[in-house]
Amino acid sequence: DSGVTQTPKHLITATGQRVTLRCSPRSGDLSVYWYQQSLDQGLQFLIQYYNGEERAKGNILERFSAQQFPDLHSELNLSSLELGDSALYFCASSTRQGYGYTFGSGTRLTVV
Amino acid sequence: ELKVEQNPLFLSMQEGKNYTIYCNYSTTSDRLYWYRQDPGKSLESLFVLLSNGAVKQEGRLMASLDTKARLSTLHITAAVHDLSATYFCAVDLSTGGFKTIFGAGTRLFVKA
Repeated sequence: DSGVTQTPKHLITATGQRVTLRCSPRSGDLSVYWYQQSLDQGLQFLIQYYNGEERAKGNILERFSAQQFPDLHSELNLSSLELGDSALYFCASSTRQGYGYTFGSGTRLTVV
Repeated sequence: ELKVEQNPLFLSMQEGKNYTIYCNYSTTSDRLYWYRQDPGKSLESLFVLLSNGAVKQEGRLMASLDTKARLSTLHITAAVHDLSATYFCAVDLSTGGFKTIFGAGTRLFVKA
């Protein structure tokens, strides 16, 4: 157990639907990062939050949004889902920028 | 835009042999990470390299960083089957917000 908790582990949903992925960072970590891993795109950085504030944005689609709550857990919302959104979504946390991450076990999203 | 390139992308090797995985990146950065991912699993941090000339070793793996050449290497000594996994390098980019960009990964298969 890395200390970063992601739920659910698996999610199957239909095109056009909306889902929410949840992440609880490791105790003491203020930063949360979201990554998407797909076979054709590799590991893509989506977005980072630090202590509730958005700090950096990557290749995150407009249909996707995220937030970090006062208790530091984070949610990634994916809407108007398409088949191509099927992927592993990882959350990672860190104590300080520049010292690497601890990754959660991921949420495998399948859009049918 | 920061690009991180790994090669080879796929490596099949015999047990007992040595090999090196290369990671080149396109923009100045003095922080580089190596991660390991087993199939269907999360990413596990292997090394954090924070300065030019940094060298770290853990078991049969040794990582080094040359920031002037924008190159990191992951050297495998006397490979064993348990090292079979995908290895990612990742580089920090601190412009436009803080991001860590991952290479495409090197899928290593060690034949017994």
